[in-house]
Amino acid sequence: NAGVMQNPRHLVRRRGQEARLRCSPMKGHSHVYWYRQLPEEGLKFMVYLQKENIIDESGMPKERFSAEFPKEGPSILRIQQVVRGDSAAYFCASSPDGDTQYFGPGTRLTVL
Amino acid sequence: SQQGEEDPQALSIQEGENATMNCSYKTSINNLQWYRQNSGRGLVHLILIRSNEREKHSGRLRVTLDTSKKSSSLLITASRAADTASYFCATDTSGGSYIPTFGRGTSLIVHP
Repeated sequence: NAGVMQNPRHLVRRRGQEARLRCSPMKGHSHVYWYRQLPEEGLKFMVYLQKENIIDESGMPKERFSAEFPKEGPSILRIQQVVRGDSAAYFCASSPDGDTQYFGPGTRLTVL
Repeated sequence: SQQGEEDPQALSIQEGENATMNCSYKTSINNLQWYRQNSGRGLVHLILIRSNEREKHSGRLRVTLDTSKKSSSLLITASRAADTASYFCATDTSGGSYIPTFGRGTSLIVHP
């Protein structure tokens, strides 16, 4: 059973471009979480999804950010019109039961 | 919102020594989890302790939970250089969906 997969591992975008981050949960896991981590900081919760549903998006900025977890395929975190402040590591975690979470290796986004 | 805060922020010890990290939180929890993060990597789940448990062991790890003091400790015995990492506690809130909240972590350096 492969672990949580995230791609790309590194993403460089210029201001104003779009960033798409992908997360493939572990097999059999229907709960997906997205977090953002700034240097020297802990993880900040962004959004919690189950298949085709957003359960909690209280940590997601109201503008430019969106997330989905379709019936088929990976979960996508989409950031439109990126700004320098979006530069961070974005981690995805999956869970089989909404309890213990298993983290992916992260995507490091750099906005130039 | 609920937040676990780790203490100390940084810890530097020699191989073979024990390392103790603490986590304090503010409101009632269902469970508390400890994670490790190696530099540039995703988080690795170490141990989960439920609110009705007081102590839990896993290999060289020992976790305690004192709900009256709203605190937890992680003890790593006979530390190794490979234990060098950041350690985070994550707490959830009683009721509702499980959204763990992470602290800033304790950065542990184990010198060989």
